[in-house]
Amino acid sequence: DAKTTQPPSMDCAEGRAANLPCNHSTISGNEYVYWYRQIHSQGPQYIIHGLKNNETNEMASLIITEDRKSSTLILPHATLRDTAVYYCIVRVGGSARQLTFGSGTQLTVLP
Amino acid sequence: DTEVTQTPKHLVMGMTNKKSLKCEQHMGHRAMYWYKQKAKKPPELMFVYSYEKLSINESVPSRFSPECPNSSLLNLHLHALQPEDSALYLCASSQADRPYTEAFFGQGTRLTVV
Repeated sequence: DAKTTQPPSMDCAEGRAANLPCNHSTISGNEYVYWYRQIHSQGPQYIIHGLKNNETNEMASLIITEDRKSSTLILPHATLRDTAVYYCIVRVGGSARQLTFGSGTQLTVLP
Repeated sequence: DTEVTQTPKHLVMGMTNKKSLKCEQHMGHRAMYWYKQKAKKPPELMFVYSYEKLSINESVPSRFSPECPNSSLLNLHLHALQPEDSALYLCASSQADRPYTEAFFGQGTRLTVV
């Protein structure tokens, strides 16, 4: 599975959009981009995934560049409860395969 | 029900003890995973089960012994652990046969080896 690069930490003001970047320049055509987050001392939580197209759900939006070498997770109106470590993971689809976590981005939402 | 339930939540064990961690899900997922997470580090994969058979073992020491007795349960048997094995142990499950799939994680068992 392709390796990902994320900034180690970011701050965001409460109520503003949080834009978390991820670089995955070695991604191959059959690899999906997944985002998970882990709030302190809890299990990771799935946020969103995509292959080529931009995706949106009730939690976030995922913007994938046309060449698929990078993506951005957008939390449109960040709250204090969104403070967490956010992991960008690239993974081949198919039958049971491991999720390999990189070091992630610590997002701190400030009041 | 989209829960993965892990028990116990906390466990303290001596280096000569034998204990087991349990994980249960009722989502019909046929892939289940054990991860280990040290403080301030990302989760590291230990084992993957697919259709109740061990499919991936990430070179985990034999003092950790996984077991998948049925499609809803996953155990991790612990024996002769070392203090450096103290960590948060996470269980996850997912569909096993779809081109993309999200994994659901439990809240983990915080293990302390003394």
